[in-house]
Amino acid sequence: GAGVSQTPSNKVTEKGKYVELRCDPISGHTALYWYRQSLGQGPEFLIYFQGTGAADDSGLPNDRFFAVRPEGSVSTLKIQRTERGDSAVYLCASSPGTIDTQYFGPGTRLTVL
Amino acid sequence: QKEVEQNSGPLSVPEGAIASLNCTYSDRGSQSFFWYRQYSGKSPELIMSIYSNGDKEDGRFTAQLNKASQYVSLLIRDSQPSDSATYLCAVGTSYGKLTFGQGTILTVHP
Repeated sequence: GAGVSQTPSNKVTEKGKYVELRCDPISGHTALYWYRQSLGQGPEFLIYFQGTGAADDSGLPNDRFFAVRPEGSVSTLKIQRTERGDSAVYLCASSPGTIDTQYFGPGTRLTVL
Repeated sequence: QKEVEQNSGPLSVPEGAIASLNCTYSDRGSQSFFWYRQYSGKSPELIMSIYSNGDKEDGRFTAQLNKASQYVSLLIRDSQPSDSATYLCAVGTSYGKLTFGQGTILTVHP
């Protein structure tokens, strides 16, 4: 079956601009996670959705970051007033339950110039 | 102290040898443990999951978990050049949030 998909695969933007990153999870997976991975590091948790609600957003670095999942499927990570330090690969993962295996999408590489 | 620490690399082993990857974690409430493999420029892919103390084997891979020592390891037998990648240890909470180690780079040379 289809895996987790993320769009765009690459995004180059200028400092101060707004960006949206999209994640389409595996069909039927209720849990959705966003992570951020910088070069040479492991992925870092950002936010977790169970259904439509954000159950844990403790990993969001500041209020410029926001994510939604309005219908319990597709999720969008939104970053306002981007900074060069936001440059990283943003990974989305989905899971059929809470402690089950998470399946990762291919990621979106964000570059802020 | 980092929440999840992996043995520092890079690790280099000859083809056919056993590669041993280690990970310690600080949260005693952790409930799920995973090893992911990540090729350069790609996203993590699951190698093994383990939830209870002891060993779990899958083909050439064996995961070992010791909750009392807060330690989890991955053994790769008969290592192949295609096993060359970064291996990520991930520890999960009761609702699934994963905390990753920094990764160990493994190189298997012919």
